[in-house]
Amino acid sequence: DTGVSQDPRHKITKRGQNVTFRCDPISEHNRLYWYRQTLGQGPEFLTYFQNEAQLEKSRLLSDRFSAERPKGSFSTLEIQRTEQGDSAMYLCASSLEGVHPQHFGDGTRLSIL
Amino acid sequence: QQPVQSPQAVILREGEDAVINCSSSKALYSVHWYRQKHGEAPVFLMILLKGGEQKGHDKISASFNEKKQQSSLYLTASQLSYSGTYFCGTERGDSGYALNFGKGTSLLVTP
Repeated sequence: DTGVSQDPRHKITKRGQNVTFRCDPISEHNRLYWYRQTLGQGPEFLTYFQNEAQLEKSRLLSDRFSAERPKGSFSTLEIQRTEQGDSAMYLCASSLEGVHPQHFGDGTRLSIL
Repeated sequence: QQPVQSPQAVILREGEDAVINCSSSKALYSVHWYRQKHGEAPVFLMILLKGGEQKGHDKISASFNEKKQQSSLYLTASQLSYSGTYFCGTERGDSGYALNFGKGTSLLVTP
């Protein structure tokens, strides 16, 4: 059982650039979640998928953020026109359908210069 | 709505006990507990379902008080490896199982 993997582990970019992160969930998990975490805070929900369908998106999420999960396997999270406030750890998690543990990846740390 | 955790931080000597609380202002169906060590991903500990169920493994257990909309995590005879930040997560609503996490409780176990 390979866990949730995220790529890249770190991303440094200039303000205004676009960035894309990838998440590969545990293979049998049909639910995939994206969270954002800043220092001293718990993970903050961004969006989640069941298979390829995006079922919920946080109201706090700017239109600059978009996520996809083509074919219900891996997922990508894109941030357009990055801003200083986007600097954070972006965590991906996956789970089976229903009330089951969410397994987190190691995250992608985004730093905006 | 974000659940409220208390205390914010606690320092223990090895072998001592601790309780971490997680409260919500809305009705809960389940509470999820995670531990995160510095620079690492959150690691699942346990899920509590409504019904006042108490679960545990090793010397870490938890309870869920449906009346109070509160869950408590109990760490007994703490070990150095228990150090980290503990988060509780509560379900966002009827639409699915994405979680709202509390701000966390930082636990440091010293020799």
